[in-house]
Amino acid sequence: DIVMTQSPDSLAVSLGERATINCKSSQSVLYSSNNKNYLAWYQQKPGQPPKLLIYWASTRESGVPDRFSGSGSGTDFTLTISSLQAEDVAVYYCQQYYSTRFTFGPGTKVDIK
Amino acid sequence: QVQLVQSGAEVKKPGSSVKVSCKASGGTFSSYAISWVRQAPGQGLEWMGGIIPIFGTANYAQKFQGRVTITADESTSTAYMELSSLRSEDTAVYYCARGGASRWGDESYYYYMDVWGKGTTVTVSS
Repeated sequence: DIVMTQSPDSLAVSLGERATINCKSSQSVLYSSNNKNYLAWYQQKPGQPPKLLIYWASTRESGVPDRFSGSGSGTDFTLTISSLQAEDVAVYYCQQYYSTRFTFGPGTKVDIK
Repeated sequence: QVQLVQSGAEVKKPGSSVKVSCKASGGTFSSYAISWVRQAPGQGLEWMGGIIPIFGTANYAQKFQGRVTITADESTSTAYMELSSLRSEDTAVYYCARGGASRWGDESYYYYMDVWGKGTTVTVSS
């Protein structure tokens, strides 16, 4: 299985400041035939199901604020929240769908400093 | 707008089985994939397996192979996840989620999950 790791485990950022979360896969999730990275990001708030934020590594889901952006290719990816808002307090997960056996990263908890 | 409505909370004894349902309403069911993801208390997300109803065959995580069965009934737009030989470590919230799907030859492909159910709490306790 493809192993996903994330860093840091948690971070605290001041309101309005940038938050950066890293995700690494144990093998490339870039499909050469279509040049797409099979990587998604989800946000989960307490007591709620996960919510899709980003897919194909950098495509924002409809309705997701543009302060959320995804980047990276191959094995290294980043989720950036450009200006942290109070409602962004949550756990963020990356997930690969390159393999039909999906795997998630362990999650990164984002809090307000 | 499609919604996934899951069955209610369950309390089960160790060694028994549980079957959780996930009914899709307001959108297409058969041509998408339905995955099952669980989350133990205070833990992360764990993908268990999925099915593309129009193709019928399910795909399971190695960890759950032999213990989980995922099925779908196209006539009622409902997917099911049955987990057997329950143990205390199976206590978790179980989510169903819809994702894109495609097929090339004999291979089925699953994509990111864009619609999630609210979750079903399964408690395993003697």
